[in-house]
Amino acid sequence: ETGVTQSPTHLIKTRGQQVTLRCSSQSGHNTVSWYQQALGQGPQFIFQYYREEENGRGNFPPRFSGLQFPNYSSELNVNALELDDSALYLCASSLGHSGGTDTQYFGPGTRLTVL
Amino acid sequence: GENVEQHPSTLSVQEGDSAVIKCTYSDSASNYFPWYKQELGKRPQLIIDIRSNVGEKKDQRIAVTLNKTAKHFSLHITETQPEDSAVYFCAATPYAGKSTFGDGTTLTVKP
Repeated sequence: ETGVTQSPTHLIKTRGQQVTLRCSSQSGHNTVSWYQQALGQGPQFIFQYYREEENGRGNFPPRFSGLQFPNYSSELNVNALELDDSALYLCASSLGHSGGTDTQYFGPGTRLTVL
Repeated sequence: GENVEQHPSTLSVQEGDSAVIKCTYSDSASNYFPWYKQELGKRPQLIIDIRSNVGEKKDQRIAVTLNKTAKHFSLHITETQPEDSAVYFCAATPYAGKSTFGDGTTLTVKP
């Protein structure tokens, strides 16, 4: 196992609600990236945190926000949930360096269902 | 931004045959190309990766080739086994950790 953990495993919410997903990075890793994986598709990059600062964002609206804590764990918050937010949310941790070649290790994901 | 296309979307082979999955990318700044295997209900697992200064890399039955001029890279699995059945994703990474993934290839290996 890679050591990246996520909680909760599954979550059911209704439209308009807010949700917080959590990720603990692998020991020694200071970078966490979040991805949304809709059914039958590849993961889509949401944003990345490096040493507690947002370090890049994909094509997601501002209601997707995040945090990284001093221990490098991270949260993904989604406000005003929509039906299309139903997906598997994956976090991946890596040992951040410049150059774009860091190997990422994925957590098991949180399955979010919005009704 | 980066755009990754992956083909085929489904692939069925007989046990023992080879399987090839191809990806193209658009951003010439991409310099890291991982491949992931994802079994149903599980996390993507890195199976092999290649960096832009290498044209080919092999790990037992799995190999990856990269052509930076043409902006394409491929996964080759030889002597396929039923346990190789899964969804395979390619990804292109121009900046640390910000990977763009293909839409996946569902590989079925028939015994």
